[in-house]
Amino acid sequence: GESVGLHLPTLSVQEGDNSIINCAYSNSASDYFIWYKQESGKGPQFIIDIRSNMDKRQGQRVTVLLNKTVKHLSLQIAATQPGDSAVYFCAENIVGTDKLIFGTGTRLQVFP
Amino acid sequence: NAGVTQTPKFRILKIGQSMTLQCAQDMNHNYMYWYRQDPGMGLKLIYYSVGAGITDKGEVPNGYNVSRSTTEDFPLRLELAAPSQTSVYFCASIEKGPAGTQYFGPGTRLLVL
Repeated sequence: GESVGLHLPTLSVQEGDNSIINCAYSNSASDYFIWYKQESGKGPQFIIDIRSNMDKRQGQRVTVLLNKTVKHLSLQIAATQPGDSAVYFCAENIVGTDKLIFGTGTRLQVFP
Repeated sequence: NAGVTQTPKFRILKIGQSMTLQCAQDMNHNYMYWYRQDPGMGLKLIYYSVGAGITDKGEVPNGYNVSRSTTEDFPLRLELAAPSQTSVYFCASIEKGPAGTQYFGPGTRLLVL
């Protein structure tokens, strides 16, 4: 079936540490994945994306890893800051469709 | 550019009432989407449009209708509001989707009592 899920609903990290947010997807026909950040009371904000022909992509302080063998996606945030506190969603696009399927989300809490 | 705008920000409806959630974008994007987000959950796709005059159902279209008469506007219509439609509604657009950055509006919070 089509589903995107997350292993950890809440992740608490200390400021300065690295954060890893995980996501599992079930549709092997998905060829494009996106991570979004949603702050309280706001709409989701694009962070980084990756296509299925890649296994790693880096942005500013963020890295997305894709393991197609086990259908797993992760978002790594380096040197986590208080401003990173938010809910993070992964989303997948099934090849040939114009739709994104979102996961449930993981809340990242950063404490001093 | 104002980006994606949504009105109203918040609305309370009685069961059986109808309303239209407005969404507009000034980026000349072809693709527009409507999502709903229930508390503590991810986004569910209601309807989407790949261009003016073209609309298609998403995962949860029942109880909603859309139209796309212009590139800029993509209103979402609730005909007979039900408590199950209490949610936050987000509109999004992308130039040519769905790969790439989807720009989201600020959302409309709807409460049906």
